[in-house]
Amino acid sequence: EDKVVQSPLSLVVHEGDTVTLNCSYEVTNFRSLLWYKQEKKAPTFLFMLTSSGIEKKSGRLSSILDKKELFSILNITATQTGDSAVYLCAVVPGTYKYIFGTGTRLKVLA
Amino acid sequence: NAGVTQTPKFRILKIGQSMTLQCTQDMNHNYMYWYRQDPGMGLKLIYYSVGAGITDKGEVPNGYNVSRSTTEDFPLRLELAAPSQTSVYFCASSSHHGLAGTYEQYFGPGTRLTVT
Repeated sequence: EDKVVQSPLSLVVHEGDTVTLNCSYEVTNFRSLLWYKQEKKAPTFLFMLTSSGIEKKSGRLSSILDKKELFSILNITATQTGDSAVYLCAVVPGTYKYIFGTGTRLKVLA
Repeated sequence: NAGVTQTPKFRILKIGQSMTLQCTQDMNHNYMYWYRQDPGMGLKLIYYSVGAGITDKGEVPNGYNVSRSTTEDFPLRLELAAPSQTSVYFCASSSHHGLAGTYEQYFGPGTRLTVT
C-alpha cells in the first residue's frame, strides 16, 4: 500500500531558527513529490520535485529529494511568524492520485 | 480568474440528511479531486475524475457519490449523513498528468461540514 510519512508531527521554534521537515514515502512507480503550505484554509503549492529536479529553492525555503533513500526534506531558514502553518507532503505514484502525509504543524514564536 | 470555488463554506447536517457540495473550476482542468481532512490529519482522497463523464473511487469513497457532466463542475453528494462524515472537504483540480511528470493541484477554500 502506498504510504507517505511526515515527521515531526509538530514543531515549535523561535523566529530566526532554521527548521527541517521530513517526508518519507513508499509508493509504486514514483513520479513526483510535492510540498504544500496550509494555513487556516486550503493548501498552497510550494515545490514539486521529480526525478529530473531533485533540489528546489525559493527564498528562505528549499527542498531536496533523495530517490535512493525515498525521502525529501523541506528546509526553512531564518523562520518568521508568517511561516507558522501545517506543511503537507504529497507523492504521486504512477496513477492519477496524490498521496498525502499527515503534515507537520510548525509554530514560530516571536 | 476565480480558480476553484466551493459552496457552501459551512454546513450543519442532521444524521440521515443528504446534501451536495458544489465545486467549480474555471481553469479548463481535466483532473478534479475531492478530499476530506479530519482534525490533525492529512488529506484523504474520496473520489477523482480525469475528465467529463469519468470518475473513480479514492481511498475513502463510502457514503459519497460524484458526477462529472462538464469539465468545470464536480459535485460531491453525501447520502444519509453520519457523524463520521464530519470533516473539512476540499475540492482540487490539476491540468493533467503527462509522461513528463505531474502538475500541481489547485485547491478550493474548503467546506466545513458538521453532522450531529
